[in-house]
Amino acid sequence: DVKVTQSSRYLVKRTGEKVFLECVQDMDHENMFWYRQDPGLGLRLIYFSYDVKMKEKGDIPEGYSVSREKKERFSLILESASTNQTSMYLCASSSHEAGPTDTQYFGPGTRLTVL
Amino acid sequence: AQTVTQSQPEMSVQEAETVTLSCTYDTSESDYYLFWYKQPPSRQMILVIRQEAYKQQNATENRFSVNFQKAAKSFSLKISDSQLGDAAMYFCAYTGANSKLTFGKGITLSVRP
Repeated sequence: DVKVTQSSRYLVKRTGEKVFLECVQDMDHENMFWYRQDPGLGLRLIYFSYDVKMKEKGDIPEGYSVSREKKERFSLILESASTNQTSMYLCASSSHEAGPTDTQYFGPGTRLTVL
Repeated sequence: AQTVTQSQPEMSVQEAETVTLSCTYDTSESDYYLFWYKQPPSRQMILVIRQEAYKQQNATENRFSVNFQKAAKSFSLKISDSQLGDAAMYFCAYTGANSKLTFGKGITLSVRP
């Protein structure tokens, strides 16, 4: 089974703190994604990566950055957390092989609260 | 830009009955893929079913089937013989040439025993 894990299920941080969210997948997938999920808004793509050291902006990249130094790990960074970044963050991965048909596999999510 | 619309925020179904979840999308692409994902309460999101736009035959996975109307840009999910474990949030999603998923806002399905 594909496994996507995220470093924390729940996280509470203070405004202005630097926050790291970690995601690890064990299926040797090339593609990795970070989404945020908010009630009534569905999932919105923050950043994605097609390969190590590659990254592309999604639909809402402002206030976020990412790092992918190893194929299996994709980190989301909030340089200076703000209250409007309180949300559920979901990581996903998929394979290149079949292109757009490839299923994205999701992690359990990190519920981040910024006070 | 592609958009995915799920206009109903909530639905309820009696156990063992059939329910249909609606989804419409907008795109100028001719080749694309559509998905339904399920997110159970406090659990990971999983793929329920997917449909390739070039295939006219509707996809089916056990009790889950879709009604894909390409001209109308409609992609509904039918759940037959609903079970308590079907209670979840369901997301319709689209992907095209750029491999990025665009999600609808989701619908919360409750199943009454």
